[in-house]
Amino acid sequence: AQSVTQPDIHITVSEGASLELRCNYSYGATPYLFWYVQSPGQGLQLLLKYFSGDTLVQGIKGFEAEFKRSQSSFNLRKPSVHWSDAAEYFCAVASTGGGNKLTFGTGTQLKVEL
Amino acid sequence: NAGVTQTPKFQVLKTGQSMTLQCAQDMNHEYMSWYRQDPGMGLRLIHYSVGAGITDQGEVPNGYNVSRSTTEDFPLRLLSAAPSQTSVYFCASKENTEAFFGQGTRLTVV
Repeated sequence: AQSVTQPDIHITVSEGASLELRCNYSYGATPYLFWYVQSPGQGLQLLLKYFSGDTLVQGIKGFEAEFKRSQSSFNLRKPSVHWSDAAEYFCAVASTGGGNKLTFGTGTQLKVEL
Repeated sequence: NAGVTQTPKFQVLKTGQSMTLQCAQDMNHEYMSWYRQDPGMGLRLIHYSVGAGITDQGEVPNGYNVSRSTTEDFPLRLLSAAPSQTSVYFCASKENTEAFFGQGTRLTVV
């Protein structure tokens, strides 16, 4: 069965500092990988996705993520965090068959200090 | 663009009551799903549907029923609400593998 681990429950960074959120997945084949962001009281918004090809993917709001098959990781990065980036971030993996079910990690809460 | 619309946004139920959470999408997506979100547990799949007339169970289906009579609508029914079903519920529709989420329904069972 597919699974996602986000080892950091909370992360605090200063505005302007760089950010890396960790995500490890378990899936038997090449997965589809996603990062979503959730602001308080809101639904989930897709930041970026990886299906195949270039292992460094660019997303919205200046985020990027790198797929590393050897480490089963898909870490999210941003060079300079803005106060508006404070939110909860979810990594997700989708199976490539059987309905493409999305499995989410438990999320990382990002706090940005001014 | 309405996208995925969930109603109601908030609901308080008494234990044992039943209710239906509504979800509608206007993107003609075949795949729809329901998740519940609980602190520290991320989003867990309750039920999903790959098209009208077809539904299947997800990770945490107990206590919930679904049906899919049209492509647009995918209601989630709680037959006899329990405090353990207090949660935030999200409906999503998917094209290929990109999912679009509704704004959520915050349900409290007392």
